Amino acid sequence: DAKTTQPTSMDCAEGRAANLPCNHSTISGNEYVYWYRQIHSQGPQYIIHGLKNNETNEMASLIITEDRKSSTLILPHATLRDTAVYYCIVREGGTASKLTFGTGTRLQVTL
Amino acid sequence: ETGVTQSPTHLIKTRGQQVTLRCSSQSGHNTVSWYQQALGQGPQFIFQYYREEENGRGNFPPRFSGLQFPNYSSELNVNALELDDSALYLCASTPGGTGGEKLFFGSGTQLSVL
Repeated sequence: DAKTTQPTSMDCAEGRAANLPCNHSTISGNEYVYWYRQIHSQGPQYIIHGLKNNETNEMASLIITEDRKSSTLILPHATLRDTAVYYCIVREGGTASKLTFGTGTRLQVTL
Repeated sequence: ETGVTQSPTHLIKTRGQQVTLRCSSQSGHNTVSWYQQALGQGPQFIFQYYREEENGRGNFPPRFSGLQFPNYSSELNVNALELDDSALYLCASTPGGTGGEKLFFGSGTQLSVL
């Protein structure tokens, strides 16, 4: 699986959009970009995934650059409950359960 | 529908002992995987079970073993515990087939080895 690079930490004011970047310059054509988050004392939670088109669901939007070497997870209106570690993961599609987590971005949402 | 449940939530063991952790997968999910998360690190893949067989393994020694039962629940067994085995152990399930892209995680078992 391709390696990803994320900032260690970010801050965001409540109600504002949180934009979390991820670099995956070695991604291959059949690899998807996944985002999970982990709130303190809980297991990781799936947020969204995509291959090359931008994706949106009830939680977030995923913007993937045309060359697919980077992506941005957007939380449109961050709340205090969005404070968590966000993991960007690249892997092949399918049903395999192996996810290679890095250390992620610690997002702190403040009043 | 119930989510992924793990037991116990916390456990303290002594070096050299053996431990068994349990996981009930989400209803309808036939694939279970286990992860180890050391403090301050991301989760690390241990292994995956599908139809009661191990079908994928990360870089963990053989003293980490598992089982999956016909109802898809699973156990993680660790023998000869070492201090470095202290970690949060996470179980995840997925339905396989369409929808198998998402993993659903439990809240984990916090294991402390003294």
